Amino acid sequence: QVQLVQSGAEVKKPGASVKVSCKTSGYSFTDYPIHWVRQAPGQRPEWVGWINVRTGVPDFSQQFRARITITRNTSASTAYMELASLRSEDTALYFCAREGARSWNPDYWGQGTLVTVSS
Amino acid sequence: DIVMTQSPNSLPVTPGEPASISCRSSRSLLHSNGNNYLDWYLQKPGQSPQLLIYLGSNRASGVPDRFSGSGSGTDFTLKISRVEAEDVGVYYCMQGIHTPRTFGQGTKLEIK
Repeated sequence: QVQLVQSGAEVKKPGASVKVSCKTSGYSFTDYPIHWVRQAPGQRPEWVGWINVRTGVPDFSQQFRARITITRNTSASTAYMELASLRSEDTALYFCAREGARSWNPDYWGQGTLVTVSS
Repeated sequence: DIVMTQSPNSLPVTPGEPASISCRSSRSLLHSNGNNYLDWYLQKPGQSPQLLIYLGSNRASGVPDRFSGSGSGTDFTLKISRVEAEDVGVYYCMQGIHTPRTFGQGTKLEIK
């Protein structure tokens, strides 16, 4: 079955960087893009960016463009999201999610990784 | 960015009764290929979002047939024919035709 398993919770100080991993299984990794979505407490989900896993080409929401990196390791079937210059407003649950076969939105989601930014 | 607006924000429902959620988009989600790029998700407490409906009206695998989606262009509706206790959570619509993807603000369904 399709599974996306994310790395564990992180606590970071303002100005630091965080890297979240998303290990996939149960399908052909290079056939489906991976999206990253974050959700601050009590807020709606917010789309961060995505990566074409086959080509390695990412795209991002404009608000994150200057400080985000999305990569993948095809041999490990794993995607990564790194966010730099963290501030308190980046405290959120970060999800990776596989794009659907027909829709251009996610179908399967990871369990989420809580990133807390606090001095 | 495309703005997605849902109504209502809160939806108290008696078990066995129907429920309906509206989602409006600030721009058309109808692609030239004939698909409407609008999906519905349910986020149960403490869980990741789960896909219910894709491309406006297609039930995702394993989703009960009491859930249905309709609409085209800028106006969409999610209907639950008979609400069950397990349906509680926050429902989100999400557009998939433009970058950045955007979500509605959510509709919290609760059992009366």
